Amino acid sequence: QKEVEQDPGPLSVPEGAIVSLNCTYSNSAFQYFMWYRQYSRKGPELLMYTYSSGNKEDGRFTAQVDKSSKYISLFIRDSQPSDSATYLCAMSALNSGGYQKVTFGTGTKLQVIP
Amino acid sequence: DAGVTQSPTHLIKTRGQQVTLRCSPKSGHDTVSWYQQALGQGPQFIFQYYEEEERQRGNFPDRFSGHQYPNYSSELNVNALLLGDSALYLCASSLSRDRPNIQYFGAGTRLSVL
Repeated sequence: QKEVEQDPGPLSVPEGAIVSLNCTYSNSAFQYFMWYRQYSRKGPELLMYTYSSGNKEDGRFTAQVDKSSKYISLFIRDSQPSDSATYLCAMSALNSGGYQKVTFGTGTKLQVIP
Repeated sequence: DAGVTQSPTHLIKTRGQQVTLRCSPKSGHDTVSWYQQALGQGPQFIFQYYEEEERQRGNFPDRFSGHQYPNYSSELNVNALLLGDSALYLCASSLSRDRPNIQYFGAGTRLSVL
């Protein structure tokens, strides 16, 4: 079983829709939870990060963490064609050496249709 | 402020050859991590360098080695290339004292092994 599971999609939605992207994880040691956006042929770009359970909002984006269920979500309101990209969840935990190690999901490819 | 830069952008090699990829971190960052991203997959952690030493390593064979220079720039070397090494290689930089250890990615080097 992978430490981080993410539905690869693709997910296709009409412009203006609310998008829900999700990841589950098995390692209860994960402390920080991040969402990256990756456009085609580009490197990942950090969107948001959270530390504890609960919600964090930034403009049209809301990140949600439920540590009890080991489940995280990213919601995109009023989706735009420019949101079309692959969304990667990532989580970090301290390894045996005391350093943070980041583990990524496989990414969900999102297409917003005008 | 220049972000993370990687060179070359694309590279074509044949099996058995050796390759060197280069990375300049974001200004002020002291830590460099390397990832391999196969098509349709999330980035897989190769190793991380801090103060010119390999600080942590993922599940990659010894054919993958690296180096960090005093100016924090870094190289990834891969020996005895296999077809399966074809992927996008991403460099990410961060500041070691940051919590969380937010990583900023370059655009990557796309390696094709024929």
